[in-house]
Amino acid sequence: GQQVMQIPQYQHVQEGEDFTTYCNSSTTLSNIQWYKQRPGGHPVFLIQLVKSGEVKKQKRLTFQFGEAKKNSSLHITATQTTDVGTYFCAGLPNDYKLSFGAGTTVTVRA
Amino acid sequence: EAQVTQNPRYLITVTGKKLTVTCSQNMNHEYMSWYRQDPGLGLRQIYYSMNVEVTDKGDVPEGYKVSRKEKRNFPLILESPSPNQTSLYFCASSFSLGGFSYEQYFGPGTRLTVT
Repeated sequence: GQQVMQIPQYQHVQEGEDFTTYCNSSTTLSNIQWYKQRPGGHPVFLIQLVKSGEVKKQKRLTFQFGEAKKNSSLHITATQTTDVGTYFCAGLPNDYKLSFGAGTTVTVRA
Repeated sequence: EAQVTQNPRYLITVTGKKLTVTCSQNMNHEYMSWYRQDPGLGLRQIYYSMNVEVTDKGDVPEGYKVSRKEKRNFPLILESPSPNQTSLYFCASSFSLGGFSYEQYFGPGTRLTVT
């Protein structure tokens, strides 16, 4: 079964507001990846975190990897309509089997 | 252009009629995998392949078969499709996993409906 849990499942955001999506694993992850899937599209790689406590930024997106390497978060500031889509985290709890979270689907109201 | 291609993109079929969804990548990736995407369940791995002639089950392998005879191709076979296999399927590839994973490149998806 799915080993990586992601919350919330849905996030409805006012344009300009911030939001955060969280990813949790019951086991230690060697690394974690984040993907974005636009409506009707396919998942596209955003970033990978490897080190305990690592923080990476991509413009308005901030990604964190927990100290215990069991959780991660994606924070988006000043949400724009271009942020619409589903965001997935994917962790590597076991060799060779990347485990995806169920995703957070983001909608934006102007 | 580096890409993963899947065919067909859309398929409507009937229960029990064998079908194959093809997947091909031009990036010389060792690792390839198949996922199905269902509402509320995210991406669930069906099968993966570490390299030619090396395949293994993912989380939801029942009712599916795969083969990896060439590095670039990784077809997904449904020997006897059933309605519960109606889903959106993605093929993905990357350089090898294990210890350190690389970004997955996804194909455009195949929407399968089994009636």
